[in-house]
Amino acid sequence: DTGVSQDPRHKITKRGQNVTFRCDPISEHNRLYWYRQTLGQGPEFLTYFQNEAQLEKSRLLSDRFSAERPKGSFSTLEIQRTEQGDSAMYLCASSLRGPSSGNTIYFGEGSWLTVV
Amino acid sequence: GDSVTQMEGPVTLSEEAFLTINCTYTATGYPSLFWYVQYPGEGLQLLLKATKADDKGSNKGFEATYRKETTSFHLEKGSVQVSDSAVYFCVVRRFGNEKLTFGTGTRLTIIP
Repeated sequence: DTGVSQDPRHKITKRGQNVTFRCDPISEHNRLYWYRQTLGQGPEFLTYFQNEAQLEKSRLLSDRFSAERPKGSFSTLEIQRTEQGDSAMYLCASSLRGPSSGNTIYFGEGSWLTVV
Repeated sequence: GDSVTQMEGPVTLSEEAFLTINCTYTATGYPSLFWYVQYPGEGLQLLLKATKADDKGSNKGFEATYRKETTSFHLEKGSVQVSDSAVYFCVVRRFGNEKLTFGTGTRLTIIP
C-alpha cells in the first residue's frame, strides 16, 4: 500500500494556460475524490468517481474544469484557461467503497497550483 | 447545506497542557462526524470518527464525543506533546452522501 500519490506536487503557470494534475489512488480503491483547498480554508469537495463513472460534481467545478478516470484507476483533473482565483491546493483521495459504507477516505499530499 | 464551525486558531500550548478544540456542525438527518489532522508536509489523515449520537471516537490520546443535542464534536486531549503540532479539521458527512464538509481548520502549536 503506497498511499494516494499526486503529480506534480507543485505547478506554477501563467494565467490563461492549461494545467493537468494526475492522481493515482490506492490499489483496488474504487472511489476517487477531488477536493480543493485555499489558504486558511478547509478542503472543498469538487467531484467523485466510482470506478470510471463520475457520479457527482460540485458547483465549484466550472466549465473550465474537467476530471476523468478513464479506466477506473488513475484520474486527471484539467483546468483550462487558468485564472488567478484557481490558485489552490488540489487534493485527491480514495476509498475502498465510500464513507457511507464506513470505509475511510485516504488523502494524497496534494498538488499546489500557483497562477501568475 | 451542511456546515462546520470550529475554533479559530492559531492555538499555542505548552507541552502536557490540556487541549480542547471546539466544533459545531449543521447537517440534516444523522451525519457522521470526523476529525482529520494535517501534520507539516504531510497529507490529511483521519484522526477519529463517530457515526451516531453519544459515540466517542478516540485515537492517539485524542477523544471527541458526538453530541446531537448541542450539534457538537469537540476534540480533547489530556496532555499534548510537541508531535501533536498540526492543523486539525472537523468534518461532517451527511448520511448516504459521499461529500465531506470541512471546517476551516485550527492550527495547533505545542511548545516544549
